[in-house]
Amino acid sequence: QKEVEQNSGPLSVPEGAIASLNCTYSDRGSQSFFWYRQYSGKSPELIMFIYSNGDKEDGRFTAQLNKASQYVSLLIRDSQPSDSATYLCAVGYNFNKFYFGSGTKLNVKP
Amino acid sequence: GAGVSQTPSNKVTEKGKYVELRCDPISGHTALYWYRQSLGQGPEFLIYFQGTGAADDSGLPNDRFFAVRPEGSVSTLKIQRTERGDSAVYLCASSLGAGPSSTDTQYFGPGTRLTVL
Repeated sequence: QKEVEQNSGPLSVPEGAIASLNCTYSDRGSQSFFWYRQYSGKSPELIMFIYSNGDKEDGRFTAQLNKASQYVSLLIRDSQPSDSATYLCAVGYNFNKFYFGSGTKLNVKP
Repeated sequence: GAGVSQTPSNKVTEKGKYVELRCDPISGHTALYWYRQSLGQGPEFLIYFQGTGAADDSGLPNDRFFAVRPEGSVSTLKIQRTERGDSAVYLCASSLGAGPSSTDTQYFGPGTRLTVL
């Protein structure tokens, strides 16, 4: 079983701050990495994907991948109360098998 | 359709009964996945279809679970002799294909909440 580990939280940040979410994975062969946001009672919605080492930015979101350290992170700048949700890290193997972490709950306080 | 759809949204059944859960993927998506999500956990992989065939069913917990995708579009997850431990949200996701350059990016349906009494 390939492991994807996330701190369950909750992570609390004030509105306007940077939220930093982290994920580690066990399989060095993993090839694709995803961040999903899941509101309570809803299904996961895609925020970002990243395949290569380094940073990838999309609006207020930046994904960071370090394959040598088997580590992927998500930074949310200018956090808003509407960002309060559970953030799921997913790791893809052979582009057709995906393992999810248990998620980190983020609370953004107004 | 515009997104992945799943029916029913909620299903309550009694222990020992048979249930079918349906997934209609995004038009043109050849890859389809079933996951199970329990409270406080991330989605757990069950089965993956590429076209009509089950390319990987290693996540199915036992032989009570079976899934089909006869025409390469709609898929049905079938659970026989349901048990209380089967209670969870069953999520379906689809992607363009299975490969790099974002073709493996999955989009999820709203899920079916299954409750086994």
